[in-house]
Formats: sequence, C-alpha cells, structure tokens
Amino acid sequence: GAGVSQSPSNKVTEKGKDVELRCDPISGHTALYWYRQSLGQGLEFLIYFQGNSAPDKSGLPSDRFSAERTGGSVSTLTIQRTQQEDSAVYLCASSLGRDLSLHFGNGTRLTVT
Amino acid sequence: TQLLEQSPQFLSIQEGENLTVYCNSSSVFSSLQWYRQEPGEGPVLLVTVVTGGEVKKLKRLTFQFGDARKDSSLHITAAQPGDTGLYLCAGPGGGADGLTFGKGTHLIIQP
Repeated sequence: GAGVSQSPSNKVTEKGKDVELRCDPISGHTALYWYRQSLGQGLEFLIYFQGNSAPDKSGLPSDRFSAERTGGSVSTLTIQRTQQEDSAVYLCASSLGRDLSLHFGNGTRLTVT
Repeated sequence: TQLLEQSPQFLSIQEGENLTVYCNSSSVFSSLQWYRQEPGEGPVLLVTVVTGGEVKKLKRLTFQFGDARKDSSLHITAAQPGDTGLYLCAGPGGGADGLTFGKGTHLIIQP
C-alpha cells in the first residue's frame, strides 16, 4: 500500500482482556515506531524497531505491554490484562532508515471499559 | 528528557487573519520538525528545520528555527479553514531513537 496501515481502526475491550494492535509500514521502511496519544498528553514514545530489533524498550509503560516485528515488516503491539488507563489512540509510524521523517498511520483507538 | 513546550494550546481565529504558534525548549535540538494532525488521522510531516536561524516557506506557512536551536515558530498568513488542525513540533530524543513531541496547538479557522 501507499501508506502506513493500522488495524483495527477502533477497538473496544473489557478491562482485563488482552488486545493485539497491528501495523503494516511502508514497504522498504526499516524503522518502525509506536506512539500513544492520550487526550491532553501529546504523543508518548513507546518503542522503536530497526529491522526486527528493538534497541530500547524503556518507553513501554509496563510489563503488560510488548511488541514484536517480524520479517522487517509488520509489527504487533500487545497489551495484556488491559486497564482503563490504557485507553488512547495508538499510532504507528515508519521511516526510511534513521532520517526521522516519520510517516504515521491513522492509529487504533482503544477503549477499555 | 528533552521537553518541547508549545503555545498557545488553543487558538481560534477568523479566516483571513494571520497567526503565529511557538515551540520552545531549554535544550538544544539538532533539528526540529512540524507536523499537522487532523481528527481521526495520524500526524503528517510539514517541514524539518536543521540550521539555526533557518527559515522555510511552504505556501502560506513560514517556519523559523531559532538561532540557538532551542525554539521554532510557525507563522500562517491569511489563514483558511483548511488550516484547521493540531500542529505538533517534534525533535530527536523521544526514547533512544525516536522523536519527542510537544503537546501541540489546536488551531481552528472559522469561515
């Protein structure tokens, strides 16, 4: 596709359930980023992948959050035992190498009830 | 952690007016970026400034990077309703290899 694709676009889940968010970056983009956007909080960096490796996982809010990337392409962000404070828009972005010109997807809006 | 403060937080003006929004930090940045985000969509990169004192123009939008590379401004001339959106500034430093973002300026241009 032409841009970064994220699915689902919206997800409503019950507290305590696990969710999986998917990101399909622009073809050929080696760098992939996950951000969280909450009302009034701006964009919060979660994790960065270069290829399949994540050099820094310190941005993940808790050990309930994990992410992986396979084949240097698709990435999944998994949140286990969701809590209401996890409700936010989760944005994925990719870039060509390390040039930091990020191309964002339209995000997944997660609502935990 | 390098912080970026954006002001104003909200701005609502009439079509045709000029406006300036600001992005400030106490830290020096090697570069700064400006993004615009519309409801239900992800941010879209508008410009990257890399040299202190640099001025870049994108149609009616003028971006300036401060001489000390600690601040940046975005000036819009003759604002139009299509300029409505959330304007975000960002610079290197969000995590090991990511960007750190300001909280943004919510801009509404009324017809």
